Parts: sequence; structure tokens; C-alpha cells
Amino acid sequence: DAKTTQPPSMDCAEGRAANLPCNHSTISGNEYVYWYRQIHSQGPQYIIHGLKNNETNEMASLIITEDRKSSTLILPHATLRDTAVYYCIVRDYFGNEKLTFGTGTRLTIIP
Amino acid sequence: DAGVIQSPRHEVTEMGQEVTLRCKPISGHDYLFWYRQTMMRGLELLIYFNNNVPIDDSGMPEDRFSAKMPNASFSTLKIQPSEPRDSAVYFCASSSSLGAAGTIVSLHFGNGTRLTVT
Repeated sequence: DAKTTQPPSMDCAEGRAANLPCNHSTISGNEYVYWYRQIHSQGPQYIIHGLKNNETNEMASLIITEDRKSSTLILPHATLRDTAVYYCIVRDYFGNEKLTFGTGTRLTIIP
Repeated sequence: DAGVIQSPRHEVTEMGQEVTLRCKPISGHDYLFWYRQTMMRGLELLIYFNNNVPIDDSGMPEDRFSAKMPNASFSTLKIQPSEPRDSAVYFCASSSSLGAAGTIVSLHFGNGTRLTVT
């Protein structure tokens, strides 16, 4: 599976949109982009995934560049409860079912 | 939906003792994963099962670790004998193969077992 690069930490003001970038320049055609987050003392939580089209659900939006080499997770109106470590993962949808977590981005929402 | 249930939440044991961690996956899920998380190594996949059968155990650190899934609603991870370097948070996750071509879409994690080996 392709490797991802994320900034180690970010801050965002409460109520503003949080934009978390992820670089996956070696992504291949069958690989999807997944986002999970881990709130302190809890297990990781699935947020969203996509292949090449932008995706939106009740939690977030995922914007994938046309060349698919990078993506951005958007939390439209960040709250204090969104403070967590966010993991961007690239996985071959039809391959091994393993999900490999990197180091993620520690997002802190500031009141 | 009760979610993935892990027990115990905390375990403190002495070096050399046997430790058994337990997991009850979400009903109907056919995949089960065991992960370990430490500050140094982050989240590591240890082993995963499909329909109660171990599929990939390449992440199991050594022979002291073993995992079983005797039925669809229960799995154990055993460490025998335990060592201080096994101290970590152990997560269990489950998923169902409801994605395209029978693949999984998302993992549902439990809240983990914090293991301390002194």
C-alpha cells in the first residue's frame, strides 16, 4: 500500500473549518484514501473514504486532487470534540484487508 | 448496537505471568483484527481473522503471543509469558465484508485494553 505524509500537528479555532492535508504521491489506481481519527483514550473511528471523486458524509468532506497525489479532509465547523489524531491511510480496496496506520496529524481545536 | 467490547479495560501483571485479553465483535461482522498501540511504534496490526480463521498473523511479535477465535462472537489474545516490553494498549476491531466484491469498508474499534507488565 502507498505511503502517506501528514503534518504532525495543527490547530484550528472552534467553529472554523479544519482542513487536514495528506500527501500520497505514490498512490496507485486501485488504492482508496481512508480517514480515521482517534480521540484520546478511545479506539480509532472511521470517518470517510474515497477513490477519486470528492465525498461528503455527516462527519466530514474529502477532497481528492485530480492527479490523486494528495487529499484534504475538511471538518466544516470544528468543535472541541473534534480534537483528536487524524490518520490518512491509503489501501488497495481489493487487496489484503490490512489497514496500516501511520503517525497521523494531531488536531487541536482551540476555544 | 453495543459496539466492539473488550475486556478487561486495564490489566496490570508481573513479568512472566500469562495475560489473556478478550474481544466480542459486533454481531454479524465476519472480520476481526487485533492491534497494539505504543508511543514508540504507533498502531500495529498483530493478526486478523475472517470467518473465525486466521488470515494474516505476520504482525504477531513472537511465539509468546497467540490469538484464537473459537466462534464468531469471541476472540482472545494471549501473551505467555508476559514481558515489560509488552506494555501497550491492545485494540480489537471488527468489520463486515459488505463493500464491493465482498471487501470491507470500515473498521469498528473497541476502546482497548491497557496492559502494564511490571
